[in-house]
Amino acid sequence: QQQVKQSPQSLIVQKGGISIINCAYENTAFDYFPWYQQFPGKGPALLIAIRPDVSEKKEGRFTISFNKSAKQFSLHIMDSQPGDSATYFCAATAQYNNNDMRFGAGTRLTVKP
Amino acid sequence: DAGVTQSPTHLIKTRGQQVTLRCSPKSGHDTVSWYQQALGQGPQFIFQYYEEEERQRGNFPDRFSGHQFPNYSSELNVNALLLGDSALYLCASSLFGTTSTDTQYFGPGTRLTVL
Repeated sequence: QQQVKQSPQSLIVQKGGISIINCAYENTAFDYFPWYQQFPGKGPALLIAIRPDVSEKKEGRFTISFNKSAKQFSLHIMDSQPGDSATYFCAATAQYNNNDMRFGAGTRLTVKP
Repeated sequence: DAGVTQSPTHLIKTRGQQVTLRCSPKSGHDTVSWYQQALGQGPQFIFQYYEEEERQRGNFPDRFSGHQFPNYSSELNVNALLLGDSALYLCASSLFGTTSTDTQYFGPGTRLTVL
């Protein structure tokens, strides 16, 4: 069922560094690509999302880069902070089927002070 | 304004038993989706309810069933529990028909352990 592949599985970054998480998808019908942040004991929370009509979207320290031809997208966290330590999930869905969200397996990010 | 709420927080059952999980959507939302999140994995879509009917279903057996009430709250029922059903069960609410899926909000989940 998994149609979104996410890497790396875990990531350790120093405070102030750049965290990069990559995802690849298979289904060309996907047209909405969100990233979720999940803290222990909490449900996933929407962080940032992109549609394939743009190649990049930036919100504060978080940037999504999207490569439609390669069917890949990535999350960049600039100036990573210890408070960013969480599990990050990429996801994809087709707008006509917008609640059948396909998630990656997750990346556990640790930002060291 | 309360967000998505789920109950109970934790639950322990034995194999073969049945379990019911509950979800109240965010105020103003009318659609509830359920996801299963196994340890170390991303959430997997189980099904979605709107207007008290199952609208979409993921790749889950009939042991998984649900219900939506007139007040939009929802229940997830799992029969004949297996060890592999141990997971965090997430409920997400949204407004049906919106073109932006930004409106899908997740609850904190129910941790089910099957012994």
